[in-house]
Amino acid sequence: DVKVTQSSRYLVKRTGEKVFLECVQDMDHENMFWYRQDPGLGLRLIYFSYDVKMKEKGDIPEGYSVSREKKERFSLILESASTNQTSMYLCASSMTSWMEQFFGPGTRLTVL
Amino acid sequence: AQSVTQLGSHVSVSEGALVLLRCNYSSSVPPYLFWYVQYPNQGLQLLLKYTTGATLVKGINGFEAEFKKSETSFHLTKPSAHMSDAAEYFCAVTEEGANSKLTFGKGITLSVRP
Repeated sequence: DVKVTQSSRYLVKRTGEKVFLECVQDMDHENMFWYRQDPGLGLRLIYFSYDVKMKEKGDIPEGYSVSREKKERFSLILESASTNQTSMYLCASSMTSWMEQFFGPGTRLTVL
Repeated sequence: AQSVTQLGSHVSVSEGALVLLRCNYSSSVPPYLFWYVQYPNQGLQLLLKYTTGATLVKGINGFEAEFKKSETSFHLTKPSAHMSDAAEYFCAVTEEGANSKLTFGKGITLSVRP
């Protein structure tokens, strides 16, 4: 089974802090994705990566950056956390960009 | 550009009743279609998918969906709801191609009444 793990299930940070969310997949997938999920808005793509050191902006990249130094690991970085970044963050991976994605359990981030 | 419409945000059924969750898509080329389920405070889990071939697709937990090209629909059904089916359900569409990614609907919450 494909396994996607995220570094934390719950995280509480203060406004202005730098926040790292990490995601690891064990199926040698080329593509990895970061989404945020908010009530009534569904899933919104923040960034994705189709290869090591490659990244593409999604629909809402403002306030976020990403890093993919190794194929299995994709990190989401909030340079200076703000309260409007309080959300559920979901990581996913897939073999090809157009096929099914496999999701991690999510990180519920609260920024105070 | 591809898109997905899931009308309504909430469906409530009685235990044992038919579950019908609607999904309509827009795609300029033959689509690949997916249904995902999300239980509270968890990630999304793939229920079923349609790529090519048989238009009636069976998934996990007794769910199935039928691809109807003429109606641009991919509705999810289950003959008899169980309490454990209470969750949020997402429909997604994509097209084969290097620049394509999944496009998700906004999701629909299923409640099951005892």
